[in-house]
Amino acid sequence: GQNIDQPTEMTATEGAIVQINCTYQTSGFNGLFWYQQHAGEAPTFLSYNVLDGLEEKGRFSSFLSRSKGYSYLLLKELQMKDSASYLCAVMDSNYQLIWGAGTKLIIKP
Amino acid sequence: TAGITQAPTSQILAAGRSMTLRCTQDMRHNAMYWYRQDLGLGLRLIHYSNTAGTTGKGEVPDGYSVSRANTDDFPLTLASAVPSQTSVYFCASSAGDGSGGYNFGSGTRLTVV
Repeated sequence: GQNIDQPTEMTATEGAIVQINCTYQTSGFNGLFWYQQHAGEAPTFLSYNVLDGLEEKGRFSSFLSRSKGYSYLLLKELQMKDSASYLCAVMDSNYQLIWGAGTKLIIKP
Repeated sequence: TAGITQAPTSQILAAGRSMTLRCTQDMRHNAMYWYRQDLGLGLRLIHYSNTAGTTGKGEVPDGYSVSRANTDDFPLTLASAVPSQTSVYFCASSAGDGSGGYNFGSGTRLTVV
């Protein structure tokens, strides 16, 4: 079967760094996506990895290891507005996204 | 503004009644999707359409039907609503070739009483 695992909830302090991990087992791989979802809103695109390595975009970075079925999202210089759920999703061989349940990130002052 | 429009934003529906959730996109994306999102369960795919004229069943299709008469519109119909269909429903679209991920509508919050 297909499976995406990520922690249910994490807590971090404003100004700090947090790493959200995601492991996956899917039928085929056409890329891994991270989305941010604020409470009551739609998910919005954050990052896309299809090759191994680190992709950096401002305060956010995403890493992929295809051989390990592993990714992480790194958030630096945390701000209160980063409090949200972070969804990991893998695009399978049919170009459909398989979604993790999401990690709720709580930022404390 | 380009994107996906969903309607209504929210709805309270009596059990046993039917309802159609509307979804329209103006990005000329081939693929469209309907998800429901419930607390602790993440996004679950209800139905999808890879191109106009075709549809497919997702993970949780029972009690729902869709149609894709043209590229822009992808309505979701509940023929006879039940309380377990209380959820937030998101429509999404993608180019269908793996590029750019999914674009989401703002969601419809449905309560079946």
